[in-house]
Amino acid sequence: AQSVTQPDIHITVSEGASLELRCNYSYGATPYLFWYVQSPGQGLQLLLKYFSGDTLVQGIKGFEAEFKRSQSSFNLRKPSVHWSDAAEYFCAVGGIFGNEKLTFGTGTRLTIIP
Amino acid sequence: EPEVTQTPSHQVTQMGQEVILRCVPISNHLYFYWYRQILGQKVEFLVSFYNNEISEKSEIFDDQFSVERPDGSNFTLKIRSTKLEDSAMYFCASRDLQETQYFGPGTRLLVL
Repeated sequence: AQSVTQPDIHITVSEGASLELRCNYSYGATPYLFWYVQSPGQGLQLLLKYFSGDTLVQGIKGFEAEFKRSQSSFNLRKPSVHWSDAAEYFCAVGGIFGNEKLTFGTGTRLTIIP
Repeated sequence: EPEVTQTPSHQVTQMGQEVILRCVPISNHLYFYWYRQILGQKVEFLVSFYNNEISEKSEIFDDQFSVERPDGSNFTLKIRSTKLEDSAMYFCASRDLQETQYFGPGTRLLVL
């Protein structure tokens, strides 16, 4: 069964500092990997995705993520965070056969301090 | 930019009542999904729908739940007899040909 682990429940960083959110997955085949962001009271917005090819993928809002097959990881990074990045971040894994469901991690809440 | 829409944004209902949550997927998408997020917990898959039938459902999606695409644009989730534990945020999603799911803003359901 597929699963996602986000080991950090809550992270606090200073505005302008760099950020890395961790994600580890378990999946029996080549996964599709996603990061979504959820602002308070809002829906889920896609930040970026990895299907194949270049293991470093770029997303919206200056985010990037790196797929490391050997570590079963897909960590999200941003070189310099902005106060507007405060939100909940979810890593998700999905299958490669059409309509397979997404399995989400428990999320990491990001707080930005001035 | 096309987006998934959901109505209502909030719904309060009494235990045992039926509710219908509505979604309008992105127009050229063919695969549709419902997920839910109980407060403070992770997003959980409920059901996927393709070609007018359920293609996969989770153990959460029991006989009290049903989905329907009544016309060419709407996708609905019905809960026949709501329970307190059905209180959650319900998200609709639709998937494009690049295997990416796009989520609506959600319906917050509160069962009293």
